[in-house]
Amino acid sequence: DAKTTQPPSMDCAEGRAANLPCNHSTISGNEYVYWYRQIHSQGPQYIIHGLKNNETNEMASLIITEDRKSSTLILPHATLRDTAVYYCIGVRSNDYKLSFGAGTTVTVRA
Amino acid sequence: NAGVTQTPKFQVLKTGQSMTLQCAQDMNHEYMSWYRQDPGMGLRLIHYSVGAGITDQGEVPNGYNVSRSTTEDFPLRLLSAAPSQTSVYFCATRVTATTDGYTFGSGTRLTVV
Repeated sequence: DAKTTQPPSMDCAEGRAANLPCNHSTISGNEYVYWYRQIHSQGPQYIIHGLKNNETNEMASLIITEDRKSSTLILPHATLRDTAVYYCIGVRSNDYKLSFGAGTTVTVRA
Repeated sequence: NAGVTQTPKFQVLKTGQSMTLQCAQDMNHEYMSWYRQDPGMGLRLIHYSVGAGITDQGEVPNGYNVSRSTTEDFPLRLLSAAPSQTSVYFCATRVTATTDGYTFGSGTRLTVV
C-alpha cells in the first residue's frame, strides 16, 4: 500500500472550509484513496474515497490530482463537531487491510 | 439496524487472565477485522476474516485468537493477558464486493494490570 504523508495538525475557523492535504506519491494504479476521521475516544468514521476522479458526498469533497500523487479532503463548512484526527489511507482494490498512520489533528475553533 | 456492536465497553483484567471481546454486526458484511489503538498511535490490524470459516493474521496477531463461525460474529480472545495488551480495541466490517468504506464499532477499552 502507498505510504501517505499528512501534516500533523491544522486549525480551522468554524464556518470556513477546511482543506486537508495528503501526499501519496508511491500510490499504485489500483489503489484507492480513503479518508477516515476519529473523534476523540470514538471508532473511526468513513468519510469518502476515490480512485482518480473527484468525489463529493454529504460530508466532504475529495480532490485527487491528475497524477494521483496527492489529494485534498475538503470540509466545506467546518463545525466544532468536525474536530478530529483525519486519516488518509491508500488501499488496493483487491485488499481489505487498512494501514493507519498518525493522521492530521484538525481543531475547529469558534 | 444496530451496525457494529462491541462488548464490553470497558474491561480490567489481571495479568494472566483470559477473556473474549465480542463483535457483532447485523449488516451482512463478509469482512470483519480487529484493530488495536495505543495512546497517540494509529490503528494496527490484529486479525481479519473475509467470511465465515476463514481467518487470517494481521500486523500484530501474537497473544490473540479469533474464529468466525457465523457471518455476524467475530470474537477476539486474549489467551493470557499481558500489560502490553492494554489498549483500545476496535472491530471494523465492510462488504467485500464493493469499495465501500469500513464501519467501525465504538471500541472496547481494555486495561491489564
